Amino acid sequence: DARVTQTPRHKVTEMGQEVTMRCQPILGHNTVFWYRQTMMQGLELLAYFRNRAPLDDSGMPKDRFSAEMPDATLATLKIQPSEPRDSAVYFCASGLVLGRIQETQYFGPGTRLLVL
Amino acid sequence: GENVEQHPSTLSVQEGDSAVIKCTYSDSASNYFPWYKQELGKRPQLIIDIRSNVGEKKDQRIAVTLNKTAKHFSLHITETQPEDSAVYFCAAHGDTGRRALTFGSGTRLQVQP
Repeated sequence: DARVTQTPRHKVTEMGQEVTMRCQPILGHNTVFWYRQTMMQGLELLAYFRNRAPLDDSGMPKDRFSAEMPDATLATLKIQPSEPRDSAVYFCASGLVLGRIQETQYFGPGTRLLVL
Repeated sequence: GENVEQHPSTLSVQEGDSAVIKCTYSDSASNYFPWYKQELGKRPQLIIDIRSNVGEKKDQRIAVTLNKTAKHFSLHITETQPEDSAVYFCAAHGDTGRRALTFGSGTRLQVQP
């Protein structure tokens, strides 16, 4: 049963520190998404990649957030410097898109981030 | 870009009753509409989805209907059980601009035993 994995599952850090979150998409999926979930904002799309190329990062604060896909098995989301308002659950999801056909998108377990 | 509105934000039903959650979308070219269930502290999990060439889909106690003309789709849960209690999210996959899922704001369903 293939699943998206994320590390770390929990992270507590102090304001100003760098945070790196990692995601391993399901093998064979060509699209990776990063979402942030808070009580107030629901599920927000931060960025997504297709075939490792960034397609859209308009949901991401550019001055402190960066997302990369160094290879097909790893996606990273970095926050530098972190701020208390970044506290949220960050989900990675992966899926398969063939032409205009969107297949099911599967979520990872999330990284629960607390910035003090 | 796509805009998805979801109602109600909270829903409380008695065990055995039906529950209906409704969503509207703005991009008439949207072609894929999944529904996710999220239990407390867990990841969102797909429970059912529908594509724009189908009007209705059913899987045991769960059904989804799609009205492309009115641009709305609904989740129907029959014979609700306490384990159906969770937050449910609808989503629509736009076909213009940002080609990704846009999620509704979620519905917290509480099934009272």
